[in-house]
Amino acid sequence: QGQLQESGPGLVKPSHTLSVSCAVSGGFTYDSSYYWTWIRQSPGKGLEWLGYIHSRGSSSSNPSLRGRITMSIDTSKNEFYLRLTSVTAADSAMYFCAREEVTTSLFDLWGQGILVTVSS
Amino acid sequence: SYVLTQPPSVSVAPGETASLTCGGQNLGTKSVHWYQQKPGQAPVVVISHHGYRPSGIPDRFSNSNSDNTATLTVTGVEAGDEADYYCQVWDSARVVFGGGTKLTVL
Repeated sequence: QGQLQESGPGLVKPSHTLSVSCAVSGGFTYDSSYYWTWIRQSPGKGLEWLGYIHSRGSSSSNPSLRGRITMSIDTSKNEFYLRLTSVTAADSAMYFCAREEVTTSLFDLWGQGILVTVSS
Repeated sequence: SYVLTQPPSVSVAPGETASLTCGGQNLGTKSVHWYQQKPGQAPVVVISHHGYRPSGIPDRFSNSNSDNTATLTVTGVEAGDEADYYCQVWDSARVVFGGGTKLTVL
C-alpha cells in the first residue's frame, strides 16, 4: 500500500534552514487524488499540521508558519520536500510526511518520522 | 481558527468500554477521522469518518459524530489498545488535530 520515508539532517543550527525530504514508494506523487503533507510533533506534544503540496502545484500551510515554510514536489523523483527557514528551538520536533486523500482529508499513509533538533 | 478539544487522558480496565471524545463547534457537520499513535511510532488511521478501518484494526473500534461531539468507542479494551488517540478534521482550507487523549488500560 505504499511507503513514505523521510530523510535529512537531524541537527540544524538556530536561524538556519531546516530541509527534509520524503521519498514515496508504492505510489506516485503525480497521483492527483492526494495531497502530500507535512506534520510535526514536538517531544511529548500533539500533532501539528504544517502544510501540503499537490502535484498540480497548489499548496496550503499553517498560518503560524507563514513566511517561513516552503514545500515543493519532484514527480520525476517521486519525492516531496519541506523547507523551514529561521528555525529556533521551538522547531525541534519529529517531522512526519504523510499522504492525505483529497476528497476525505484522511491521512492514510505516514512516514516513520525524522527527529530534527535545533541547537548550536 | 477551529479548535478540537480532547480530554488528556482516559483510563479503563481490560474488557471495559472506553469512550474518547472530541469536541468542536458544529463538529457534527464535519468529517472526523481518528488516529492511534503508540510510543515511538507514527500515527495510523484507526477509523475514518465513514467507518473505514485499515486491516489490523479490529471492529472493537467504532465512531460516531453529532452536534458538537465526535466519539471514538473502544469496546472490550485490551492492553494493546493503550496509546494516544487523535481526532482530525479539515476546516477552512487547513487541517486541525485535537490535542490527543492518552488511553491507559489499567
